[in-house]
Amino acid sequence: GAGVSQSPSNKVTEKGKDVELRCDPISGHTALYWYRQRLGQGLEFLIYFQGNSAPDKSGLPSDRFSAERTGESVSTLTIQRTQQEDSAVYLCASSSNVATNEKLFFGSGTQLSVL
Amino acid sequence: AQSVAQPEDQVNVAEGNPLTVKCTYSVSGNPYLFWYVQYPNRGLQFLLKYITGDNLVKGSYGFEAEFNKSQTSFHLKKPSALVSDSALYFCAVRRLNTDKLIFGTGTRLQVFP
Repeated sequence: GAGVSQSPSNKVTEKGKDVELRCDPISGHTALYWYRQRLGQGLEFLIYFQGNSAPDKSGLPSDRFSAERTGESVSTLTIQRTQQEDSAVYLCASSSNVATNEKLFFGSGTQLSVL
Repeated sequence: AQSVAQPEDQVNVAEGNPLTVKCTYSVSGNPYLFWYVQYPNRGLQFLLKYITGDNLVKGSYGFEAEFNKSQTSFHLKKPSALVSDSALYFCAVRRLNTDKLIFGTGTRLQVFP
């Protein structure tokens, strides 16, 4: 596709339910990031996939959060037993050539609301 | 570990005046530094980056940033602000080109007509 695609764009869920967020990066991009942006706040790093290397999971806030990526394609971020503090915009980004510090392309995000 | 600080939550400037948005970083070794902008109801966009070479980097929309190693700073600047520059600006850093990219907390720039 032309850009990074995220789905759904909006998700409303009840506390305690599991949610799955999807990211389709730009074709050929080896690096993929997930960030969280709470209302009026900065970008919080969650997880980073780079090619076939082990993902950097150091930003995941708890064991309720997990993410997978199949090869260099789609990634899913799963939040189990959602809590109200999980409400935020979840942003995905991808980039092509990490070795030359190519820029990140961001998706429009998934707005998650936990009631 | 790397980190980046944006000491100002908000910067207000009159249209036509120069603007500066501050960023300081902490990283071992040589840093790779970036600025991104988030316009209202739009996604994050890349503005500019410093990898090596000239300390003054020019980017999109007339913005530039100056890398200062001794002060560990990478302030974003523009000689003459526009109302349309009003947005949320993020500084970011990585230590190695294979490292994750860490963002600051963001600075909201408000340009008044």
